[in-house]
Amino acid sequence: GAVVSQHPSRVICKSGTSVKIECRSLDFQATTMFWYRQFPKKSLMLMATSNEGSKATYEQGVEKDKFLINHASLTLSTLTVTSAHPEDSSFYICSADPGTGRGKGSKKLFFGSGTQLSVL
Amino acid sequence: AQKITQTQPGMFVQEKEAVTLDCTYDTSDQSYGLFWYKQPSSGEMIFLIYQGSYDEQNATEGRYSLNFQKARKSANLVISASQLGDSAMYFCAMREEGAQKLVFGQGTRLTINP
Repeated sequence: GAVVSQHPSRVICKSGTSVKIECRSLDFQATTMFWYRQFPKKSLMLMATSNEGSKATYEQGVEKDKFLINHASLTLSTLTVTSAHPEDSSFYICSADPGTGRGKGSKKLFFGSGTQLSVL
Repeated sequence: AQKITQTQPGMFVQEKEAVTLDCTYDTSDQSYGLFWYKQPSSGEMIFLIYQGSYDEQNATEGRYSLNFQKARKSANLVISASQLGDSAMYFCAMREEGAQKLVFGQGTRLTINP
């Protein structure tokens, strides 16, 4: 099946530093990628939708200057948590949509394995 | 606006028994897709099954089946012959055709007892 690689799987950083998380679709081109945040024992909350070559669409309440998303190619999207603080500690997970080739989303989204961010 | 509701925070089932995980949804769209994902403790999201709103047959994938009742707006997941490895969080999700994003329910933690 299709594979989405997310890296790193775990990162610990000091408060005030920036952290970049990569999401790569390994065997398909992803017209759209999504970034989710998940708190312990909670559901996945969509942060933003990114389409290759255009600006990301952020969900209400998500700071776009704090969470920078770049979808530079059809196989790579990055999420940068800028000036991270302890409240940014969370599990971040990306998903990729291969699309249908007819401008519509596919029936299945493929997920990365997630990144556990801990900000000290 | 779309909304997904999973009313069972936790379920405990004996190994080899069947289990039904509830999911109801709310949408004004006629065309939409319903998904179930499994999330083990490792955190990865594993796709289980998909049901399109226009699909006449209930979806099945091995031990997983989806009990789709369109009029009641429910899309329950049925796992037959449960196994210890089925212990995980299970999320129901919906995607409206006009929207790109996938919206998740609150999740149900399933524990299979030996």
